[in-house]
Amino acid sequence: GENVEQHPSTLSVQEGDSAVIKCTYSDSASNYFPWYKQELGKGPQLIIDIRSNVGEKKDQRIAVTLNKTAKHFSLHITETQPEDSAVYFCAASKNFGNEKLTFGTGTRLTIIP
Amino acid sequence: KAGVTQTPRYLIKTRGQQVTLSCSPISGHRSVSWYQQTPGQGLQFLFEYFSETQRNKGNFPGRFSGRQFSNSRSEMNVSTLELGDSALYLCASSLTLGQNYGYTFGSGTRLTVV
Repeated sequence: GENVEQHPSTLSVQEGDSAVIKCTYSDSASNYFPWYKQELGKGPQLIIDIRSNVGEKKDQRIAVTLNKTAKHFSLHITETQPEDSAVYFCAASKNFGNEKLTFGTGTRLTIIP
Repeated sequence: KAGVTQTPRYLIKTRGQQVTLSCSPISGHRSVSWYQQTPGQGLQFLFEYFSETQRNKGNFPGRFSGRQFSNSRSEMNVSTLELGDSALYLCASSLTLGQNYGYTFGSGTRLTVV
């Protein structure tokens, strides 16, 4: 089955700086890659996703890049703010029904004011 | 619109007991998936229900079971609880079968087994 590795497990960034979280996946057939943000006491919330026919996607301060050849994808957060502090999870799945998401182990991002 | 509602938010049970957790999906969402979240194992898939049928199952023992009702609400049951079952149990709903349509997670039920 699919295996997703996520690095780093913890990341501290000065407010205003950029943060990058990286994930690798094992199944070359995977073609859907979402990122989730989990705040304390809440469930994960989808913040951005990318499909394999796209190399990069941006949404304001958040961007995701995908390298299918190398089987890795990354989350980039620019101009970080205190409210970006949370645990971030990457995930991967095949883009058709009956295929579960496989999650990475999470990155605890702390923004230092 | 209302999000995914999970009840109860917190539970404390004794080893050997059984527990039932409830999940009400977003209105119109027909697929419900369950995940177990622990510090050591991260988010692990339990099962997915669509149209009252289990469509996909993760690698958990038979003590973990679930069901879905005609209104798409879902329950999961854990029998003969073990200390290792202590976790945050998350429910996620989506419009239809297949995670590629985007999950919406509930806030979870925190289960503590003592």
